[in-house]
Amino acid sequence: GESVGLHLPTLSVQEGDNSIINCAYSNSASDYFIWYKQESGKGPQFIIDIRSNMDKRQGQRVTVLLNKTVKHLSLQIAATQPGDSAVYFCAEKTRDSSYKLIFGSGTRLLVRP
Amino acid sequence: NAGVTQTPKFQVLKTGQSMTLQCAQDMNHEYMSWYRQDPGMGLRLIHYSVGAGITDQGEVPNGYNVSRSTTEDFPLRLLSAAPSQTSVYFCASRPAGTRTEAFFGQGTRLTVV
Repeated sequence: GESVGLHLPTLSVQEGDNSIINCAYSNSASDYFIWYKQESGKGPQFIIDIRSNMDKRQGQRVTVLLNKTVKHLSLQIAATQPGDSAVYFCAEKTRDSSYKLIFGSGTRLLVRP
Repeated sequence: NAGVTQTPKFQVLKTGQSMTLQCAQDMNHEYMSWYRQDPGMGLRLIHYSVGAGITDQGEVPNGYNVSRSTTEDFPLRLLSAAPSQTSVYFCASRPAGTRTEAFFGQGTRLTVV
Protein backbone atom coordinates (compact mmCIF):
# COMPACT_ATOMS: atom_id res chain seq x y z
CA GLY A 1 0.00 0.00 0.00
CA GLU A 2 0.93 3.63 -0.25
CA SER A 3 2.85 5.55 2.37
CA VAL A 4 -0.15 7.81 3.07
CA GLY A 5 -0.89 8.07 6.72
CA LEU A 6 2.62 7.83 8.15
CA HIS A 7 2.04 10.98 10.18
CA LEU A 8 -1.67 10.63 10.84
CA PRO A 9 -3.09 10.49 14.37
CA THR A 10 -3.86 6.89 15.23
CA LEU A 11 -6.64 5.36 17.27
CA SER A 12 -6.06 1.80 18.47
CA VAL A 13 -9.05 -0.16 19.74
CA GLN A 14 -9.76 -3.72 20.78
CA GLU A 15 -11.94 -5.77 18.47
CA GLY A 16 -15.51 -5.61 19.71
CA ASP A 17 -15.11 -2.24 21.44
CA ASN A 18 -16.70 0.96 20.19
CA SER A 19 -14.56 3.49 18.32
CA ILE A 20 -14.95 7.24 18.29
CA ILE A 21 -13.16 9.26 15.64
CA ASN A 22 -13.21 13.03 15.94
CA CYS A 23 -12.93 15.90 13.52
CA ALA A 24 -12.91 19.67 13.98
CA TYR A 25 -14.17 21.90 11.19
CA SER A 26 -13.87 25.64 10.66
CA ASN A 27 -16.39 26.58 7.97
CA SER A 28 -19.78 27.53 9.39
CA ALA A 29 -21.13 27.78 5.83
CA SER A 30 -20.93 24.02 5.28
CA ASP A 31 -24.32 22.40 4.78
CA TYR A 32 -23.19 18.79 4.84
CA PHE A 33 -20.51 16.93 6.76
CA ILE A 34 -19.35 13.58 5.52
CA TRP A 35 -17.23 10.64 6.62
CA TYR A 36 -15.11 8.60 4.24
CA LYS A 37 -13.10 5.43 4.85
CA GLN A 38 -9.89 4.63 3.01
CA GLU A 39 -8.43 1.14 3.11
CA SER A 40 -4.81 0.58 2.23
CA GLY A 41 -4.19 0.85 -1.49
CA LYS A 42 -7.72 2.01 -2.31
CA GLY A 43 -9.58 5.21 -2.92
CA PRO A 44 -11.80 6.71 -0.21
CA GLN A 45 -15.27 5.25 0.19
CA PHE A 46 -18.37 7.08 1.44
CA ILE A 47 -19.67 5.99 4.84
CA ILE A 48 -22.32 8.45 6.00
CA ASP A 49 -23.20 12.14 5.91
CA ILE A 50 -25.15 14.53 8.08
CA ARG A 51 -26.90 17.72 7.15
CA SER A 52 -25.96 20.80 9.13
CA ASN A 53 -29.46 21.17 10.62
CA MET A 54 -29.17 17.77 12.31
CA ASP A 55 -27.30 16.69 15.46
CA LYS A 56 -27.18 12.96 14.96
CA ARG A 57 -27.59 10.42 12.21
CA GLN A 58 -27.32 6.66 12.44
CA GLY A 59 -26.33 4.11 9.85
CA GLN A 60 -25.42 0.47 10.02
CA ARG A 61 -23.07 0.20 13.03
CA VAL A 62 -22.08 3.85 12.62
CA THR A 63 -23.38 7.06 14.17
CA VAL A 64 -22.32 10.57 13.25
CA LEU A 65 -22.70 13.38 15.77
CA LEU A 66 -22.52 17.06 14.91
CA ASN A 67 -21.92 19.77 17.51
CA LYS A 68 -22.21 23.11 15.75
CA THR A 69 -21.50 25.10 18.90
CA VAL A 70 -17.91 23.87 19.06
CA LYS A 71 -17.65 22.94 15.36
CA HIS A 72 -17.00 19.30 16.09
CA LEU A 73 -17.94 16.16 14.18
CA SER A 74 -17.53 12.59 15.36
CA LEU A 75 -17.96 9.12 13.93
CA GLN A 76 -18.86 6.32 16.28
CA ILE A 77 -18.36 2.73 15.16
CA ALA A 78 -20.09 0.08 17.24
CA ALA A 79 -18.52 -3.33 17.86
CA THR A 80 -15.39 -2.50 15.88
CA GLN A 81 -14.21 -5.26 13.57
CA PRO A 82 -10.83 -5.95 11.92
CA GLY A 83 -12.33 -4.85 8.60
CA ASP A 84 -12.83 -1.39 10.09
CA SER A 85 -9.07 -0.81 10.15
CA ALA A 86 -8.50 2.07 7.75
CA VAL A 87 -7.92 5.81 7.55
CA TYR A 88 -11.05 7.86 8.18
CA PHE A 89 -11.57 11.32 6.72
CA CYS A 90 -14.15 13.92 7.50
CA ALA A 91 -15.20 16.21 4.67
CA GLU A 92 -17.40 19.27 4.20
CA LYS A 93 -19.64 20.50 1.45
CA THR A 94 -20.41 24.21 1.48
CA ARG A 95 -23.69 25.84 0.48
CA ASP A 96 -22.07 28.21 -2.01
CA SER A 97 -19.86 25.58 -3.67
CA SER A 98 -21.93 22.41 -3.79
CA TYR A 99 -19.53 20.86 -6.27
CA LYS A 100 -16.56 20.93 -3.89
CA LEU A 101 -15.78 18.49 -1.11
CA ILE A 102 -13.05 19.67 1.26
CA PHE A 103 -11.33 16.91 3.20
CA GLY A 104 -9.68 16.89 6.62
CA SER A 105 -6.32 15.26 7.28
CA GLY A 106 -7.61 11.90 8.51
CA THR A 107 -7.30 9.50 11.44
CA ARG A 108 -5.93 5.98 11.26
CA LEU A 109 -7.99 3.34 13.06
CA LEU A 110 -6.17 0.15 14.09
CA VAL A 111 -8.24 -2.74 15.42
CA ARG A 112 -6.39 -5.13 17.75
CA PRO A 113 -7.56 -8.77 17.64
CA ASN B 1 -20.47 -0.85 -13.96
CA ALA B 2 -16.77 -0.05 -13.77
CA GLY B 3 -17.30 3.13 -11.72
CA VAL B 4 -14.26 5.44 -11.83
CA THR B 5 -11.24 4.14 -13.69
CA GLN B 6 -7.80 5.72 -13.39
CA THR B 7 -4.75 4.93 -15.48
CA PRO B 8 -1.92 4.32 -14.98
CA LYS B 9 -1.74 2.88 -11.46
CA PHE B 10 1.96 3.66 -11.11
CA GLN B 11 4.23 6.10 -12.94
CA VAL B 12 7.80 7.32 -12.58
CA LEU B 13 8.74 10.56 -14.31
CA LYS B 14 11.92 12.52 -14.62
CA THR B 15 11.91 16.16 -13.59
CA GLY B 16 10.66 18.28 -16.47
CA GLN B 17 8.72 15.54 -18.23
CA SER B 18 5.04 15.95 -18.95
CA MET B 19 2.29 13.37 -18.78
CA THR B 20 -1.45 12.90 -18.55
CA LEU B 21 -3.26 10.95 -15.87
CA GLN B 22 -6.47 9.50 -17.24
CA CYS B 23 -9.81 9.34 -15.45
CA ALA B 24 -13.06 7.95 -16.82
CA GLN B 25 -16.44 7.33 -15.19
CA ASP B 26 -19.45 5.48 -16.56
CA MET B 27 -22.09 6.72 -14.10
CA ASN B 28 -23.04 9.87 -16.04
CA HIS B 29 -21.99 12.05 -13.09
CA GLU B 30 -21.80 15.78 -13.67
CA TYR B 31 -19.15 16.55 -11.05
CA MET B 32 -15.59 15.30 -11.34
CA SER B 33 -12.53 16.21 -9.28
CA TRP B 34 -8.84 15.51 -8.95
CA TYR B 35 -7.17 15.25 -5.55
CA ARG B 36 -3.64 14.62 -4.44
CA GLN B 37 -2.84 12.78 -1.26
CA ASP B 38 0.44 13.30 0.57
CA PRO B 39 1.50 11.71 3.88
CA GLY B 40 -0.29 13.42 6.76
CA MET B 41 -1.97 15.95 4.47
CA GLY B 42 -5.24 14.26 3.63
CA LEU B 43 -6.80 14.94 0.24
CA ARG B 44 -6.23 18.30 -1.41
CA LEU B 45 -8.36 19.45 -4.32
CA ILE B 46 -6.40 20.22 -7.50
CA HIS B 47 -9.09 20.92 -10.11
CA TYR B 48 -12.74 20.16 -10.53
CA SER B 49 -15.46 20.22 -13.17
CA VAL B 50 -19.21 20.66 -12.91
CA GLY B 51 -19.90 19.43 -16.41
CA ALA B 52 -18.52 19.03 -19.91
CA GLY B 53 -16.66 22.16 -20.97
CA ILE B 54 -16.52 23.64 -17.46
CA THR B 55 -13.48 23.38 -15.18
CA ASP B 56 -12.14 25.38 -12.26
CA GLN B 57 -9.21 25.46 -9.86
CA GLY B 58 -9.14 23.89 -6.44
CA GLU B 59 -6.72 24.44 -3.55
CA VAL B 60 -3.47 23.39 -5.27
CA PRO B 61 -3.81 23.91 -9.06
CA ASN B 62 -0.31 25.11 -9.92
CA GLY B 63 1.55 22.82 -12.31
CA TYR B 64 -1.59 21.01 -13.45
CA ASN B 65 -4.09 21.46 -16.27
CA VAL B 66 -7.43 19.78 -16.87
CA SER B 67 -10.06 19.64 -19.58
CA ARG B 68 -13.54 18.14 -19.75
CA SER B 69 -14.56 17.55 -23.35
CA THR B 70 -17.03 14.79 -22.43
CA THR B 71 -19.06 13.88 -19.36
CA GLU B 72 -17.10 10.64 -18.98
CA ASP B 73 -13.48 11.80 -19.13
CA PHE B 74 -11.47 14.19 -16.98
CA PRO B 75 -7.73 13.96 -17.68
CA LEU B 76 -5.12 15.66 -15.50
CA ARG B 77 -2.01 16.98 -17.24
CA LEU B 78 1.30 17.61 -15.53
CA LEU B 79 3.00 20.25 -17.62
CA SER B 80 6.59 19.94 -16.34
CA ALA B 81 6.93 17.41 -13.54
CA ALA B 82 8.68 18.42 -10.33
CA PRO B 83 9.68 16.29 -7.31
CA SER B 84 7.08 18.21 -5.26
CA GLN B 85 4.42 16.55 -7.42
CA THR B 86 5.34 13.11 -6.10
CA SER B 87 2.07 11.97 -4.60
CA VAL B 88 -0.92 9.68 -4.95
CA TYR B 89 -3.57 11.14 -7.23
CA PHE B 90 -7.24 10.34 -6.97
CA CYS B 91 -10.04 11.13 -9.37
CA ALA B 92 -13.60 11.28 -8.06
CA SER B 93 -17.06 11.75 -9.50
CA ARG B 94 -20.51 12.39 -8.06
CA PRO B 95 -23.90 13.50 -9.31
CA ALA B 96 -24.87 17.16 -9.24
CA GLY B 97 -26.92 18.48 -6.36
CA THR B 98 -26.85 17.83 -2.65
CA ARG B 99 -25.71 14.23 -2.70
CA THR B 100 -22.34 13.97 -0.99
CA GLU B 101 -21.34 10.43 -1.99
CA ALA B 102 -18.32 10.73 -4.25
CA PHE B 103 -16.93 7.71 -6.05
CA PHE B 104 -13.16 7.48 -6.18
CA GLY B 105 -10.81 5.69 -8.50
CA GLN B 106 -8.07 3.41 -7.23
CA GLY B 107 -5.45 6.12 -7.47
CA THR B 108 -2.25 6.77 -9.41
CA ARG B 109 1.01 6.67 -7.51
CA LEU B 110 3.34 9.16 -9.18
CA THR B 111 7.03 9.50 -8.40
CA VAL B 112 9.07 12.33 -9.89
CA VAL B 113 12.83 11.85 -9.73
